[in-house]
Order: sequence, then C-alpha cells, then structure tokens
Amino acid sequence: GAGVSQSPSNKVTEKGKDVELRCDPISGHTALYWYRQSLGQGLEFLIYFQGNSAPDKSGLPSDRFSAERTGGSVSTLTIQRTQQEDSAVYLCASSFKGADTQYFGPGTRLTVL
Amino acid sequence: AQSVTQLGSHVSVSEGALVLLRCNYSSSVPPYLFWYVQYPNQGLQLLLKYTSAATLVKGINGFEAEFKKSETSFHLTKPSAHMSDAAEYFCAVSAFNQAGTALIFGKGTTLSVSS
Repeated sequence: GAGVSQSPSNKVTEKGKDVELRCDPISGHTALYWYRQSLGQGLEFLIYFQGNSAPDKSGLPSDRFSAERTGGSVSTLTIQRTQQEDSAVYLCASSFKGADTQYFGPGTRLTVL
Repeated sequence: AQSVTQLGSHVSVSEGALVLLRCNYSSSVPPYLFWYVQYPNQGLQLLLKYTSAATLVKGINGFEAEFKKSETSFHLTKPSAHMSDAAEYFCAVSAFNQAGTALIFGKGTTLSVSS
C-alpha cells in the first residue's frame, strides 16, 4: 500500500520567508510525528499528533514553528521567518494508535539561503 | 530521561565480514528500542525493534540485535556484510515505555562496505 508521502521533496527559500511542508500519513494511522534531521543536531523530535488529542509540541525549537493536522489526516508544518539554521531535512512519520512502529516518509529537504 | 549513544560515527567493513554497530541506552524505565536504516535521499526504514519480549531480536535483511539490560546495550549485528548494506543506521529509544510516543535517536553510524 501507499506509504507516508511528503511534499515538496526539496524547498529552497530566502531567509525571512515562511514555508509550509506537507505530510500525508498512511491511511488509517492516527498518530503523526514530525522530526528534523540536521548535520549538527542529528534526528530531533518536533511535534506529535494522536487522534483528536492536543498535540505534544515539546520538541518545537521556537515559536516560529507550528503544525496542524486537518481532519485527523494530512499535516502541515509551518516555519515562519525562516533562518539559515532551519536548513535541514524534515521527516514525517505515522503509526497506528498505540503501535510502537513508526513509518517514515522520504522527507523534505529545506535550504534557507 | 531516555537517551541513546551510538559508538562510532563511521564503521567500515569488507564484504562478507561481520557487521557490529554499537548502541547504548539510558532509560529510567524498561525501554522500547529500535534500529532504523536510512539509504541516501530516503526516509528511515525499521530494521528491528525490542519491546520487552525476546531479548534477541531478528530483523530484516539478516540483521539482529540483542538487548542486554546489564550492559544497557542494544548492538546491531549481521554475520556477513553485503555491498547493499552500506547506509546510515540509527538506534532509537521511545521517550516513554509505551507505544505511540516520540523516538529519541542516536547520532547515527554510517556503514561502508568495501569489496
């Protein structure tokens, strides 16, 4: 079946611009996660959605980062006023509720010039 | 708090040789542990997981890992390396001893396989 998909695969933006990254989880998966992968920091958890519960935002690095999940499916990660240190690969993952295995998408490579 | 340490950012082996990638964890509760593999320009793929069942866990592509509580380790092994095993490998622990929580990853180990 279809896996987790993310778009765009690559995004180049100028410092100060806002960007939106999209994640389509596997159908039926109620849990959705965002992670960031960068050379300096490795893989870091950003935010976690589970069904209709309030998201766990504990990993968001600043208030410039936000995410929403509409209809319990698609999620959008928004970065406002991008900075060069935001350059990274943003990975999305999903899982069944209560399941321990997360399935990852291919990621969006963000480059802030 | 949970954490993971991967010893060796880069491991090189010859084709057919034993692969050993080291992972040590720190957890205040019995952990859930995972190994993921990442091929260039791709997302992460689950190799295997330990969730408090058998301590020797077998995964895909001939990999296995053994949970050793006394050593707080979860090292990944494969008896005979293939060229196709060249990739980056990540060890991870669940933030809490339960499913559906964020993963905490190690820094990763890049495996190179030479012919």
